[in-house]
Amino acid sequence: GAVVSQHPSWVICKSGTSVKIECRSLDFQATTMFWYRQFPKQSLMLMATSNEGSKATYEQGVEKDKFLINHASLTLSTLTVTSAHPEDSSFYICSARSSGDSYEQYFGPGTRLTVT
Amino acid sequence: GQNIDQPTEMTATEGAIVQINCTYQTSGFNGLFWYQQHAGEAPTFLSYNVLDGLEEKGRFSSFLSRSKGYSYLLLKELQMKDSASYLCAVLDSNYQLIWGAGTKLIIKP
Repeated sequence: GAVVSQHPSWVICKSGTSVKIECRSLDFQATTMFWYRQFPKQSLMLMATSNEGSKATYEQGVEKDKFLINHASLTLSTLTVTSAHPEDSSFYICSARSSGDSYEQYFGPGTRLTVT
Repeated sequence: GQNIDQPTEMTATEGAIVQINCTYQTSGFNGLFWYQQHAGEAPTFLSYNVLDGLEEKGRFSSFLSRSKGYSYLLLKELQMKDSASYLCAVLDSNYQLIWGAGTKLIIKP
């Protein structure tokens, strides 16, 4: 089956620093990748959608200058949280979708970010 | 606006059957997904329905009625490991996934 990896699985950083999270599709080409954020006991919140080689489309209320997304290849997308603050602490999950009929999204294992 | 409703929490007994309902109002419809999410983990795919009717896959079945904007996930022979959140998501006319808030299922022995 389609496998998506995420790195790191957890990270602790100091307030004001930047953190980069990688999302890779291991055995398929991901034409579209999605970045979600999930706070404890809440549902997934879509942050942005990115297609390979083009700029990401951000959801309303998500600061594109704070959450930098790069989808440079069909197998790799990165999310950089710039100048992180404690309120950015959350579970960040990426998913990938290949071209096809089902539009199923394959999820990475998630990255737990803690900003101190 | 787009809206997906599912119960916040349900409780069931090990070995029993539980049905989790999902109703939706979206701009267009290109299919409905059910995902399972254990605490602290990413969602995993359970089912995809695009046509009306029941899709059975082992202990799990998913039903769709497009005219009613309604789906359910049926879990049989419940096991303790089925304790998780179950997310309903609809693919709208722009092929964007619209997510429900999820149903937390608690299984008791």
